[in-house]
Amino acid sequence: QKEVEQNSGPLSVPEGAIASLNCTYSDRGSQSFFWYRQYSGKSPELIMSIYSNGDKEDGRFTAQLNKASQYVSLLIRDSQPSDSATYLCAVKTNDYKLSFGAGTTVTVRA
Amino acid sequence: DAGITQSPRYKITETGRQVTLMCHQTWSHSYMFWYRQDLGHGLRLIYYSAAADITDKGEVPDGYVVSRSKTENFPLTLESATRSQTSVYFCASSESRQWYGYTFGSGTRLTVV
Repeated sequence: QKEVEQNSGPLSVPEGAIASLNCTYSDRGSQSFFWYRQYSGKSPELIMSIYSNGDKEDGRFTAQLNKASQYVSLLIRDSQPSDSATYLCAVKTNDYKLSFGAGTTVTVRA
Repeated sequence: DAGITQSPRYKITETGRQVTLMCHQTWSHSYMFWYRQDLGHGLRLIYYSAAADITDKGEVPDGYVVSRSKTENFPLTLESATRSQTSVYFCASSESRQWYGYTFGSGTRLTVV
């Protein structure tokens, strides 16, 4: 079993809709969780971090964490064409290492 | 300029040759990392370093060598390149005292022919 798994996608949503991305992780002791956005041909950039159960909102992005279910999600509200990218879920393991999921590619249709 | 820079951006090399990918950061971050990104596999950790002269293996270290004689530099060497090492390589750094995740370099696209 991979340490971090994401829904495979690709995910296509109309402009203005909500995009929902899911991620599960295997290490129950994980404490820190991150979402990175990666445009084609570019490097990943950090867009959200979450450390405690519940929701965390930042603009149109909401991260949700449920440690009991070992589940973290990202919602993108009012999706825009500029949100078209691959979204990577990352989980902090021991030391300062991150384990990444394979990513979910989102396409927002104008 | 401040930040994390990788060089070269693109590299084509032949099977069996030695090649070194460079990574330089100006923040004095303690931690530095090398990942490779392949379709279907996501980002996989090759090596990481907690400080100068301290390095450790990640998930896929075979065929790679690293060194870190100075805090700001973390070169990755492919001792004898193979076609399976064709990939996009990302260097990243993070601060240890207040950990907010990684900052990535712009990547090196390596093709082994």
